[in-house]
Amino acid sequence: AQKVTQAQTEISVVEKEDVTLDCVYETRDTTYYLFWYKQPPSGELVFLIRRNSFDEQNEISGRYSWNFQKSTSSFNFTITASQVVDSAVYFCALSEASRGGSEKLVFGKGTKLTVNP
Amino acid sequence: DGGITQSPKYLFRKEGQNVTLSCEQNLNHDAMYWYRQDPGQGLRLIYYSQIVNDFQKGDIAEGYSVSREKKESFPLTVTSAQKNPTAFYLCASSMTAARETQYFGPGTRLLVL
Repeated sequence: AQKVTQAQTEISVVEKEDVTLDCVYETRDTTYYLFWYKQPPSGELVFLIRRNSFDEQNEISGRYSWNFQKSTSSFNFTITASQVVDSAVYFCALSEASRGGSEKLVFGKGTKLTVNP
Repeated sequence: DGGITQSPKYLFRKEGQNVTLSCEQNLNHDAMYWYRQDPGQGLRLIYYSQIVNDFQKGDIAEGYSVSREKKESFPLTVTSAQKNPTAFYLCASSMTAARETQYFGPGTRLLVL
Protein backbone atom coordinates (compact mmCIF):
# COMPACT_ATOMS: atom_id res chain seq x y z
CA ALA A 1 0.00 0.00 0.00
CA GLN A 2 1.16 3.47 -0.73
CA LYS A 3 1.13 6.14 1.88
CA VAL A 4 1.85 9.83 2.29
CA THR A 5 2.67 11.28 5.69
CA GLN A 6 2.57 14.95 6.56
CA ALA A 7 3.57 14.89 10.19
CA GLN A 8 2.99 18.60 10.81
CA THR A 9 -0.72 19.13 11.35
CA GLU A 10 -0.48 22.88 11.89
CA ILE A 11 2.30 25.44 11.62
CA SER A 12 2.13 29.08 12.62
CA VAL A 13 4.77 31.63 11.60
CA VAL A 14 5.20 35.36 11.47
CA GLU A 15 5.32 37.09 8.12
CA LYS A 16 8.75 37.03 6.41
CA GLU A 17 9.84 33.88 8.20
CA ASP A 18 10.90 30.88 6.11
CA VAL A 19 8.87 27.72 6.65
CA THR A 20 9.32 24.11 5.51
CA LEU A 21 6.46 21.67 5.13
CA ASP A 22 7.48 18.02 5.37
CA CYS A 23 6.23 15.15 3.25
CA VAL A 24 7.36 11.54 3.55
CA TYR A 25 6.01 8.86 1.25
CA GLU A 26 6.03 5.08 0.89
CA THR A 27 5.79 3.26 -2.41
CA ARG A 28 6.93 0.06 -4.07
CA ASP A 29 6.67 1.57 -7.53
CA THR A 30 9.93 2.47 -9.24
CA THR A 31 8.24 5.13 -11.29
CA TYR A 32 5.94 7.53 -9.55
CA TYR A 33 4.98 11.18 -9.35
CA LEU A 34 4.76 13.50 -6.39
CA PHE A 35 2.58 16.58 -6.14
CA TRP A 36 1.94 19.54 -3.89
CA TYR A 37 -1.40 21.34 -3.80
CA LYS A 38 -2.50 24.45 -1.90
CA GLN A 39 -6.02 24.74 -0.46
CA PRO A 40 -6.84 28.32 0.55
CA PRO A 41 -9.88 29.05 2.74
CA SER A 42 -12.10 29.17 -0.38
CA GLY A 43 -11.65 25.39 -0.66
CA GLU A 44 -10.40 24.90 -4.18
CA LEU A 45 -7.18 22.89 -4.52
CA VAL A 46 -4.52 24.76 -6.46
CA PHE A 47 -1.81 22.75 -8.18
CA LEU A 48 1.73 23.81 -7.26
CA ILE A 49 4.17 21.21 -8.57
CA ARG A 50 4.53 17.72 -10.06
CA ARG A 51 7.82 15.80 -9.90
CA ASN A 52 8.89 12.59 -11.59
CA SER A 53 10.66 10.00 -9.43
CA PHE A 54 13.62 10.03 -11.80
CA ASP A 55 14.20 13.74 -11.45
CA GLU A 56 15.81 14.55 -8.11
CA GLN A 57 16.78 18.09 -8.96
CA ASN A 58 15.48 20.64 -6.54
CA GLU A 59 13.07 23.16 -7.99
CA ILE A 60 12.56 26.81 -7.25
CA SER A 61 9.63 28.94 -8.30
CA GLY A 62 9.75 32.43 -6.86
CA ARG A 63 9.49 32.11 -3.07
CA TYR A 64 8.64 28.42 -3.32
CA SER A 65 11.20 25.62 -3.44
CA TRP A 66 11.00 21.86 -3.27
CA ASN A 67 13.57 19.37 -2.05
CA PHE A 68 13.12 15.83 -3.37
CA GLN A 69 15.28 13.15 -1.72
CA LYS A 70 14.69 9.59 -2.84
CA SER A 71 17.12 8.23 -0.23
CA THR A 72 14.82 9.42 2.56
CA SER A 73 11.55 9.21 0.57
CA SER A 74 10.88 12.85 1.22
CA PHE A 75 9.54 15.71 -0.85
CA ASN A 76 9.66 18.82 1.31
CA PHE A 77 8.29 22.23 0.44
CA THR A 78 9.84 25.51 1.60
CA ILE A 79 8.28 28.94 1.45
CA THR A 80 10.83 31.72 1.76
CA ALA A 81 9.83 35.07 3.27
CA SER A 82 6.30 33.91 3.97
CA GLN A 83 3.33 36.22 3.41
CA VAL A 84 -0.17 36.31 4.86
CA VAL A 85 -1.53 35.14 1.50
CA ASP A 86 0.40 31.89 1.94
CA SER A 87 -1.99 30.91 4.73
CA ALA A 88 -3.69 27.72 3.55
CA VAL A 89 -3.72 23.96 3.92
CA TYR A 90 -1.01 22.31 1.86
CA PHE A 91 -1.34 18.75 0.60
CA CYS A 92 1.34 16.41 -0.61
CA ALA A 93 0.19 13.60 -2.93
CA LEU A 94 1.66 10.52 -4.57
CA SER A 95 0.51 8.95 -7.82
CA GLU A 96 -0.38 5.31 -7.56
CA ALA A 97 -0.92 2.86 -10.41
CA SER A 98 -4.35 1.28 -10.30
CA ARG A 99 -6.33 -1.23 -12.35
CA GLY A 100 -6.71 -0.48 -16.01
CA GLY A 101 -3.42 1.39 -16.22
CA SER A 102 -4.77 4.59 -14.76
CA GLU A 103 -3.17 6.54 -11.97
CA LYS A 104 -4.82 7.78 -8.84
CA LEU A 105 -3.56 10.20 -6.26
CA VAL A 106 -2.99 9.29 -2.63
CA PHE A 107 -3.10 12.40 -0.45
CA GLY A 108 -1.52 13.19 2.87
CA LYS A 109 -3.75 14.70 5.55
CA GLY A 110 -2.41 18.18 4.91
CA THR A 111 -0.54 20.82 6.88
CA LYS A 112 -2.39 23.97 7.87
CA LEU A 113 -0.08 26.96 7.58
CA THR A 114 -1.00 30.23 9.25
CA VAL A 115 1.13 33.26 8.49
CA ASN A 116 0.55 36.06 10.97
CA PRO A 117 1.22 39.72 10.12
CA ASP B 1 -11.85 30.82 -19.52
CA GLY B 2 -11.02 27.12 -19.26
CA GLY B 3 -11.70 25.41 -16.01
CA ILE B 4 -13.83 23.19 -13.85
CA THR B 5 -17.14 24.29 -12.40
CA GLN B 6 -19.09 22.65 -9.63
CA SER B 7 -22.59 23.43 -8.52
CA PRO B 8 -24.14 24.15 -6.20
CA LYS B 9 -21.64 25.62 -3.77
CA TYR B 10 -23.76 24.45 -0.82
CA LEU B 11 -26.28 21.62 -0.84
CA PHE B 12 -28.64 20.44 1.85
CA ARG B 13 -29.94 16.90 1.99
CA LYS B 14 -32.86 15.56 3.95
CA GLU B 15 -32.84 12.06 5.38
CA GLY B 16 -33.57 9.42 2.75
CA GLN B 17 -33.07 11.81 -0.14
CA ASN B 18 -30.78 11.39 -3.15
CA VAL B 19 -28.92 14.50 -4.27
CA THR B 20 -26.80 15.14 -7.34
CA LEU B 21 -23.66 17.26 -7.47
CA SER B 22 -22.70 18.75 -10.80
CA CYS B 23 -19.18 18.86 -12.27
CA GLU B 24 -18.42 20.35 -15.68
CA GLN B 25 -15.08 20.97 -17.39
CA ASN B 26 -14.17 22.73 -20.63
CA LEU B 27 -10.52 21.70 -20.64
CA ASN B 28 -11.10 18.85 -23.10
CA HIS B 29 -9.79 16.43 -20.47
CA ASP B 30 -10.50 12.72 -20.83
CA ALA B 31 -10.31 11.80 -17.15
CA MET B 32 -12.48 13.06 -14.32
CA TYR B 33 -12.55 12.31 -10.59
CA TRP B 34 -14.65 12.78 -7.48
CA TYR B 35 -13.09 13.17 -4.04
CA ARG B 36 -14.51 13.54 -0.59
CA GLN B 37 -12.80 15.66 2.07
CA ASP B 38 -13.67 15.47 5.76
CA PRO B 39 -12.42 18.02 8.33
CA GLY B 40 -8.73 17.58 9.06
CA GLN B 41 -8.43 14.83 6.50
CA GLY B 42 -6.88 14.41 3.12
CA LEU B 43 -8.90 13.69 0.03
CA ARG B 44 -10.35 10.25 -0.59
CA LEU B 45 -11.29 9.03 -4.05
CA ILE B 46 -14.95 8.14 -4.61
CA TYR B 47 -15.14 7.43 -8.36
CA TYR B 48 -13.12 8.17 -11.44
CA SER B 49 -13.68 8.02 -15.18
CA GLN B 50 -10.93 7.58 -17.75
CA ILE B 51 -13.16 8.16 -20.75
CA VAL B 52 -16.77 8.75 -21.73
CA ASN B 53 -19.17 5.93 -20.81
CA ASP B 54 -16.63 4.38 -18.47
CA PHE B 55 -16.08 4.80 -14.74
CA GLN B 56 -14.40 2.92 -11.89
CA LYS B 57 -14.95 2.76 -8.15
CA GLY B 58 -12.45 4.49 -5.94
CA ASP B 59 -11.70 3.80 -2.30
CA ILE B 60 -15.04 4.88 -0.84
CA ALA B 61 -17.67 4.31 -3.56
CA GLU B 62 -20.40 2.82 -1.34
CA GLY B 63 -23.48 5.05 -1.24
CA TYR B 64 -22.48 7.01 -4.32
CA SER B 65 -23.16 6.69 -8.04
CA VAL B 66 -21.88 8.48 -11.14
CA SER B 67 -22.42 8.70 -14.88
CA ARG B 68 -20.24 9.88 -17.73
CA GLU B 69 -22.43 10.39 -20.77
CA LYS B 70 -20.54 13.44 -22.02
CA LYS B 71 -16.85 14.24 -21.95
CA GLU B 72 -17.46 17.54 -20.19
CA SER B 73 -19.72 16.29 -17.43
CA PHE B 74 -19.32 13.87 -14.49
CA PRO B 75 -22.22 14.21 -12.04
CA LEU B 76 -22.10 12.52 -8.64
CA THR B 77 -25.24 11.27 -6.90
CA VAL B 78 -25.15 10.85 -3.16
CA THR B 79 -27.77 8.23 -2.43
CA SER B 80 -29.75 7.55 0.73
CA ALA B 81 -27.46 4.57 1.29
CA GLN B 82 -24.63 6.96 2.19
CA LYS B 83 -25.18 7.28 5.92
CA ASN B 84 -22.66 10.00 6.60
CA PRO B 85 -22.74 12.31 3.58
CA THR B 86 -21.77 15.56 5.29
CA ALA B 87 -18.45 16.53 3.67
CA PHE B 88 -16.75 18.75 1.11
CA TYR B 89 -16.85 17.22 -2.37
CA LEU B 90 -14.21 18.06 -4.93
CA CYS B 91 -14.25 17.24 -8.62
CA ALA B 92 -11.05 17.08 -10.66
CA SER B 93 -9.98 16.39 -14.21
CA SER B 94 -6.78 15.50 -16.04
CA MET B 95 -5.78 15.22 -19.66
CA THR B 96 -5.63 11.47 -19.40
CA ALA B 97 -5.76 9.11 -16.45
CA ALA B 98 -2.10 8.18 -16.77
CA ARG B 99 0.21 10.23 -14.56
CA GLU B 100 -1.19 13.60 -15.53
CA THR B 101 -1.74 16.49 -13.18
CA GLN B 102 -5.25 16.70 -11.79
CA TYR B 103 -6.92 20.11 -11.69
CA PHE B 104 -9.69 20.78 -9.22
CA GLY B 105 -12.99 22.59 -9.15
CA PRO B 106 -14.14 24.90 -6.34
CA GLY B 107 -16.03 22.16 -4.47
CA THR B 108 -19.52 21.56 -3.11
CA ARG B 109 -20.26 21.46 0.60
CA LEU B 110 -23.01 18.96 1.42
CA LEU B 111 -24.89 19.23 4.68
CA VAL B 112 -27.55 16.96 6.10
CA LEU B 113 -30.68 18.55 7.59
